[in-house]
Amino acid sequence: DTGVSQNPRHKITKRGQNVTFRCDPISEHNRLYWYRQTLGQGPEFLTYFQNEAQLEKSRLLSDRFSAERPKGSFSTLEIQRTEQGDSAMYLCASSFGGDQPQHFGDGTRLSIL
Amino acid sequence: KNEVEQSPQNLTAQEGEFITINCSYSVGISALHWLQQHPGGGIVSLFMLSSGKKKHGRLIATINIQEKHSSLHITASHPRDSAVYICAVPPGGSARQLTFGSGTQLTVLP
Repeated sequence: DTGVSQNPRHKITKRGQNVTFRCDPISEHNRLYWYRQTLGQGPEFLTYFQNEAQLEKSRLLSDRFSAERPKGSFSTLEIQRTEQGDSAMYLCASSFGGDQPQHFGDGTRLSIL
Repeated sequence: KNEVEQSPQNLTAQEGEFITINCSYSVGISALHWLQQHPGGGIVSLFMLSSGKKKHGRLIATINIQEKHSSLHITASHPRDSAVYICAVPPGGSARQLTFGSGTQLTVLP
């Protein structure tokens, strides 16, 4: 079991740049979730996929955010024109169905200069 | 939307002490999750429970569905248990994405 893998672990970028994160879920998991966590807070839901279909998006996911899971395997989360407030830990999780425990990756920590 | 409240926010204990962390939620659910997060961000799922009690090693999780309350207990605590413990529930009973509490920072001193 290789677990959920996220890349990169850390990303530092200047305000206004675009960034893209990748998540590789556990291979047999059909559900993939993205969460965002700011310092001292619990994670907040951003979006989730069942296979390649994006089924729900949070209001937190502004127009600058886009997520894809083109083949129902790995997923990417892109943030365009980054802002200071985007600095956070971005967590990916996967599960086999909605009633099963979610397995989390180690996250990508984004810092906006 | 399901509101999740955890207490305490911070907890410091001496090695060997019995630890209790509490979680309350506002809307009926199908299952509740307890998660552990170490410095650096990685989250590990500890328990997913919908009734009664579950035990894994020194960790015990209980849930009272009628009272919308769950507790996580750690027996014979150890410094390696130091982490943030997070309670999470599906919003409004849905079994989809999770709504998380703000976490309890546990520090166990040797």
